[in-house]
Amino acid sequence: DVKVTQSSRYLVKRTGEKVFLECVQDMDHENMFWYRQDPGLGLRLIYFSYDVKMKEKGDIPEGYSVSREKKERFSLILESASTNQTSMYLCASSGPGNTEAFFGQGTRLTVV
Amino acid sequence: GENVEQHPSTLSVQEGDSAVIKCTYSDSASNYFPWYKQELGKRPQLIIDIRSNVGEKKDQRIAVTLNKTAKHFSLHITETQPEDSAVYFCAAIRGGGFKTIFGAGTRLFVKA
Repeated sequence: DVKVTQSSRYLVKRTGEKVFLECVQDMDHENMFWYRQDPGLGLRLIYFSYDVKMKEKGDIPEGYSVSREKKERFSLILESASTNQTSMYLCASSGPGNTEAFFGQGTRLTVV
Repeated sequence: GENVEQHPSTLSVQEGDSAVIKCTYSDSASNYFPWYKQELGKRPQLIIDIRSNVGEKKDQRIAVTLNKTAKHFSLHITETQPEDSAVYFCAAIRGGGFKTIFGAGTRLFVKA
């Protein structure tokens, strides 16, 4: 049973803080993704990674960065949190080729 | 860039009726089309998928059809039940790739 685990379910941060969202998967998946989910906008891709130390920008990378030092861990970094980054953040992983994506439980981030 | 449009954004049906959700994709290289269901407060989970070499796939009350020429695919749920109430996301992935582009989602309400 695939497990994708995000470090926090809920986070409240102040404007200007540096925020780290952590995601760990236990299925040795090559591909990992960070999405944000907002009402009416669906799942928008922030960044993805297809290998250790590799990263690609998604559709909305501004204000975010990522780190993938180990295959099982993919971190999303908000360099200087702003109120418009208040959202639900979902991490996902998938195996080689075009296959199912497995999601974490989500982190609801509130920036005040 | 790649884009997936999903309609309708909200769908309300009576229990026992059928529900149809439609998606259109822009990237002609897409060849994998998964559908995810997200219940309230939970993570998205795959319910059915179809590959470009197949025109239709069925799993009990759920079916997906694909028209590659028109670049659209649809989810059909028959004999809807209250537990089908959720947000449904379509997605498209290009061949040889791993970047998953999601539609904006359809909130389905099944009234008992």
